[in-house]
Amino acid sequence: AQKVTQAQTEISVVEKEDVTLDCVYETRDTTYYLFWYKQPPSGELVFLIRRNSFDEQNEISGRYSWNFQKSTSSFNFTITASQVVDSAVYFCALSEDSYGNNRLAFGKGNQVVVIP
Amino acid sequence: DGGITQSPKYLFRKEGQNVTLSCEQNLNHDAMYWYRQDPGQGLRLIYYSQIVNDFQKGDIAEGYSVSREKKESFPLTVTSAQKNPTAFYLCASSRLGQGLTDTQYFGPGTRLTVL
Repeated sequence: AQKVTQAQTEISVVEKEDVTLDCVYETRDTTYYLFWYKQPPSGELVFLIRRNSFDEQNEISGRYSWNFQKSTSSFNFTITASQVVDSAVYFCALSEDSYGNNRLAFGKGNQVVVIP
Repeated sequence: DGGITQSPKYLFRKEGQNVTLSCEQNLNHDAMYWYRQDPGQGLRLIYYSQIVNDFQKGDIAEGYSVSREKKESFPLTVTSAQKNPTAFYLCASSRLGQGLTDTQYFGPGTRLTVL
């Protein structure tokens, strides 16, 4: 069973529009960690955020914001006022503490295309 | 500059040949990882190492081999036993080993094509 689901395969938006990427995860652990990474066309994965299961505070970093809701097992990511440089694939990932090996389970990614 | 380097960026291999992908980090990280990415897919774990001279299989280890003789280096060999090796390969490292959860940072990747 897939542990991380990113349902929207490709999302196209016009520049300056907001875009929200959904991430739904599945785990039986009480302690776990969630991550978002950005993969621009160059290919390298860039770390954006890490959130542990005990911290449900939403976070904002510039035009990026994250909404973590344990009740719905979701960790959604919003880009406000999108720019062409935001065009990339965005991955959500889960690390479960009980395995004790820091392994990441990745979703299949959201391809975001920002049209100028 | 601290970071993770992978070489080469592009690699072409004939069927039946083994090939080794390089991954080096100067971040003094204990743990290192190899992932494979296929078009339209997420990353899948091939091998990982939490300490020098030790490594474990990930989800898709068949047809691959690794070594960890130095803390900063974690080369991946794609053997002729790997049935479909054409893919994008990403190396990552994290500061803490011993299974402790820590953020993984990624290198620029190597795109392998089998001709």
